[in-house]
Amino acid sequence: EVQVVESGGGLVQPGGSLRLSCAASGFTFSSYWMHWVRQAPGKGLVWVSRINGDGSSTNYADSVEGRFTISRDNAKNTLYLQMNSLRAEDTAVYYCARDGDSWYWGQGTLVTVSS
Amino acid sequence: DIVMTQSPDSLAVSLGERATINCKSSQSVLYSSNNKKYLAWYQQKPGQCPKLLIYWASTRESGVPDRFSGSGSGTDFTLTISSLQAEDVAVYYCQQYYSPPYTFGQGTKLEIK
Repeated sequence: EVQVVESGGGLVQPGGSLRLSCAASGFTFSSYWMHWVRQAPGKGLVWVSRINGDGSSTNYADSVEGRFTISRDNAKNTLYLQMNSLRAEDTAVYYCARDGDSWYWGQGTLVTVSS
Repeated sequence: DIVMTQSPDSLAVSLGERATINCKSSQSVLYSSNNKKYLAWYQQKPGQCPKLLIYWASTRESGVPDRFSGSGSGTDFTLTISSLQAEDVAVYYCQQYYSPPYTFGQGTKLEIK
């Protein structure tokens, strides 16, 4: 069974950093593009970033370019999102998703940026 | 960036009646080399992650009831629920995955009339 499970969310002050993780199982992790998508409280879905199977190609939303870094460790079947210079508007539930004909989503992890 | 615009923003339909949600992309999401439309539909209930309903604009995800169907051309798409059930109350989103950033529509809130 395909599973992706996010972790690492929490409360962080503006300007701070946080690293999210996404543990994958049930599929050949290195064969798939992976994505991060976020959803601010009461708002819609916003795509954040993606990375290819071997980690050599990445894309970012303009709103996070230069502050967030997506990466992966295929030996550990884990996807990461390093978030620096966090702002209040980065407060959201962050979802990890596996690419493919149909995307598989995790349950999300909440990041709150507040003083 | 491709802008996805859904209509209406909210919709109230009687149980057993048809519900129709529209999604328009600012440019075509049809990839000519494989004739596939890079458009998905999601359902999201409060406190839950999005659930994939439809991909390639019209392919129903495994396990999704057949009352859900998707259709459309390169820029105009429709999600139809043929006979609304109480459990279909949710917010519905379209998403293009033709080119990054993989943009979503703003969402359509579906309620029971």
